[in-house]
Amino acid sequence: GNSVTQMEGPVTLSEEAFLTINCTYTATGYPSLFWYVQYPGEGLQLLLKATKADDKGSNKGFEATYRKETTSFHLEKGSVQVSDSAVYFCALILTGGGNKLTFGTGTQLKVEL
Amino acid sequence: GAGVSQSPSNKVTEKGKDVELRCDPISGHTALYWYRQRLGQGLEFLIYFQGNSAPDKSGLPSDRFSAERTGESVSTLTIQRTQQEDSAVYLCASSLLGQVYGYTFGSGTRLTVV
Repeated sequence: GNSVTQMEGPVTLSEEAFLTINCTYTATGYPSLFWYVQYPGEGLQLLLKATKADDKGSNKGFEATYRKETTSFHLEKGSVQVSDSAVYFCALILTGGGNKLTFGTGTQLKVEL
Repeated sequence: GAGVSQSPSNKVTEKGKDVELRCDPISGHTALYWYRQRLGQGLEFLIYFQGNSAPDKSGLPSDRFSAERTGESVSTLTIQRTQQEDSAVYLCASSLLGQVYGYTFGSGTRLTVV
């Protein structure tokens, strides 16, 4: 079946530190990959996406590259801010497979001054 | 509307009572999904509606859970004889069928069973 594995949190960083949140996946086909973010007290928002190998999704300073050879989609940001504190979810979807998003368990990021 | 709307935003119910949660998807979105998010856990798929096709109910945890959708509009998720383990945030999302841009989520209904 399809699954997404994320690094466990919480991840605690100082402001301006470099962020990496690891995500690997298992899929029976060729998925599209996503990162969603959930800020405290809010709903999930799409952060970025990539639909084919070697695509790089980017938004708000965050980036993730679709690596088919390592089945990974790690989230990175060069300099985090306190406002980036949230829970980050990696997810995949297989078009034609019911268009059902499969999520990882989420990684909580805490950024401190 | 502009986004996915869910109601109520919060619901506290007594164990054993039935509850009904409502989702209004984005107009024109043919696909609608329900997920459950328990405290400190990831998102658990419940059910998926795709146009007029039979829904994918493979994620419903028990026969106490059911959902309906009228055409391509409103959906209701019903939980009968609620249990404490049903306490969670219930999230609804919609998307254009076949589009791989992901879903648009509602802000969820926080259900607390006491």
